[in-house]
Amino acid sequence: EAGVVQSPRYKIIEKKQPVAFWCNPISGHNTLYWYRQNLGQGPELLIRYENEEAVDDSQLPKDRFSAERLKGVDSTLKIQPAELGDSAVYLCASSFDRRTTDTQYFGPGTRLTVL
Amino acid sequence: AQSVTQLGSHVSVSEGALVLLRCNYSSSVPPYLFWYVQYPNQGLQLLLKYTTGATLVKGINGFEAEFKKSETSFHLTKPSAHMSDAAEYFCAVSKTGTASKLTFGTGTRLQVTL
Repeated sequence: EAGVVQSPRYKIIEKKQPVAFWCNPISGHNTLYWYRQNLGQGPELLIRYENEEAVDDSQLPKDRFSAERLKGVDSTLKIQPAELGDSAVYLCASSFDRRTTDTQYFGPGTRLTVL
Repeated sequence: AQSVTQLGSHVSVSEGALVLLRCNYSSSVPPYLFWYVQYPNQGLQLLLKYTTGATLVKGINGFEAEFKKSETSFHLTKPSAHMSDAAEYFCAVSKTGTASKLTFGTGTRLQVTL
C-alpha cells in the first residue's frame, strides 16, 4: 500500500514569490493534516481537514497561507507571498478518521528554502 | 493546553547499550501519548502510543515506553541499541476524547556509536 505522497520534495524560491505543495493521502483516509516543522523543532499543525472541510485552521497564517482539499482526497497548501521565515519542512499526514487514537501517517515532507 | 518537554536534544549511546529518551508532559486532562521516529529526509513514523489500559506500551523495533501519571512522564527505552536506531525521536501529546491534535516536543537526536 502506498504511503502519503508529497511533491515537490525540495523547493527553493525567492521571497515574495508564490509556492504550492501537493499531498496525496493514503487511500481511504478521511482526515488530512498539514504541519510545519521548523529546524530543530517538532511539527506544528497548520490545518486539519475532515473530508473536504477544514475543521481546524486556527494556526494557519491566513494572510498568506491557503489550503484546499478538493473532492476530499488530494490537498494543496499555498503560500503567497513567501517570506524568509517560511523556510521549513511542510509535512502532510493522513488518518482514517479524526479520532485521537487513530494513527497519523506522515509523508516525507517538502523542504522549502526562501532566499 | 497540552505540552511536552523532551530532556536532551542529543543523546549518544554505544551499540548494544540501553537507550533512554526522556519525555515529560503537561496536561489538564488525561492525555494520549505518542512516540514518533524520523529518519533523515523521511516523514515521521509512529513507534508506539498510549491511550488507555496497560501503562507499559510496546512498540516497533524493540522500543517500549511506560506511562507514569505520578511523574507525568512517558520515557522511551530500548534494552540494546542498534546502529539503525540513529534518528530523531519526537514525543507528542493529545487530549483524550478530542479530535486528533498532536502537540510535539522539540525532539531528541539519537546517535549510536560503535
